Amino acid sequence: GDSVTQMEGPVTLSEEAFLTINCTYTATGYPSLFWYVQYPGEGLQLLLKATKADDKGSNKGFEATYRKETTSFHLEKGSVQVSDSAVYFCALGPNTDKLIFGTGTRLQVFP
Amino acid sequence: NAGVTQTPKFQVLKTGQSMTLQCAQDMNHEYMSWYRQDPGMGLRLIHYSVGAGITDQGEVPNGYNVSRSTTEDFPLRLLSAAPSQTSVYFCASSYSGSLGTHYEQYFGPGTRLTVT
Repeated sequence: GDSVTQMEGPVTLSEEAFLTINCTYTATGYPSLFWYVQYPGEGLQLLLKATKADDKGSNKGFEATYRKETTSFHLEKGSVQVSDSAVYFCALGPNTDKLIFGTGTRLQVFP
Repeated sequence: NAGVTQTPKFQVLKTGQSMTLQCAQDMNHEYMSWYRQDPGMGLRLIHYSVGAGITDQGEVPNGYNVSRSTTEDFPLRLLSAAPSQTSVYFCASSYSGSLGTHYEQYFGPGTRLTVT
């Protein structure tokens, strides 16, 4: 069945370091792909999305490119801040009725 | 707009008790859903609804009931609570993707439930 695999955390970085969080997926057809972020004590918020192959989603300095050939949607940011500390979820939308989430990756950024 | 609201924020139940988690949205979204979040498991879909009067099961529906009598409200009922239902529960809503477009899901702040 459809699934999402994320790298295990926590990811610990110093401020201004480069961030990559890996996400790969298994799906039939042409799913949409998403990154959601969860700040402490809050619900999830959409960070970015891509709806077809080679699309690049971007928001708040974060980017991810929908790579159909490698079935990946890795999240990147060139220079992280302490305020980016959160849990990041990769998600797959196999159809318009459902989202399938990865297990989440906790990011901790230290000054 | 208040967005998606959930009550209560915290709840402790004894095994066998029943309760209803409330969820409401004021964005006129057709689609609503319930997830549970467990450590190492991510979010798993419990039930969802694509409009008033229509509900369907997600990945982990056992032990939970839902109904959708209005567009705004989507309560989740635990019929007989079990310790395995200890979790954080999130409600989410979005426009329905009737044109094949995936719209952003808006999440509520969550309900932390402990079953002893």
